[in-house]
Amino acid sequence: DSGVTQTPKHLITATGQRVTLRCSPRSGDLSVYWYQQSLDQGLQFLIQYYNGEERAKGNILERFSAQQFPDLHSELNLSSLELGDSALYFCASTAQAQGINSPLHFGNGTRLTVT
Amino acid sequence: TQLLEQSPQFLSIQEGENLTVYCNSSSVFSSLQWYRQEPGEGPVLLVTVVTGGEVKKLKRLTFQFGDARKDSSLHITAAQPGDTGLYLCAGMLDSNYQLIWGAGTKLIIKP
Repeated sequence: DSGVTQTPKHLITATGQRVTLRCSPRSGDLSVYWYQQSLDQGLQFLIQYYNGEERAKGNILERFSAQQFPDLHSELNLSSLELGDSALYFCASTAQAQGINSPLHFGNGTRLTVT
Repeated sequence: TQLLEQSPQFLSIQEGENLTVYCNSSSVFSSLQWYRQEPGEGPVLLVTVVTGGEVKKLKRLTFQFGDARKDSSLHITAAQPGDTGLYLCAGMLDSNYQLIWGAGTKLIIKP
């Protein structure tokens, strides 16, 4: 158990809809990362937050947004959903903003299916 | 664009065989991490290598960081069905500490 909790585990929705994915980081971790993973593919970095502030941005679409709250949990909002948004969405946390030995602790992901 | 090329993309071998997975880049990394991901779960860190030329062993898994810190390899000896999974490498760029991910190697070990 990594200590990172993601909800919901599965989400099925229709095109054009909006969903919110939630992540609770490991106790004590200040940094949260969001990743998208399509079937059997590597991880595409979306966005990173550190202690409530946006730290780094990756290949995140304008239809997607995220935030980290004062209690350090994070939410990823996906809107105007398209079929191609179907994927696994992972949240990972680490204690530091960045650093040589900052391993990422991943949740078990949210599987989003857009129909 | 910083890329981390991982090869092979897919590997299916018999139990007991040896294999090597490679991660290569033209960029220099301050560290490189290897993760294993099993179906339905998030990636789990196996090892972090930091020093050029460093070799780390984890039971039957041997990880090596290139002398120039631009590449890394994962060698598995006498592969077991339990080694099946998606292996991902991730390098932390020396220039800005951004984490760059390889596309992954899907490994299947047949009993």
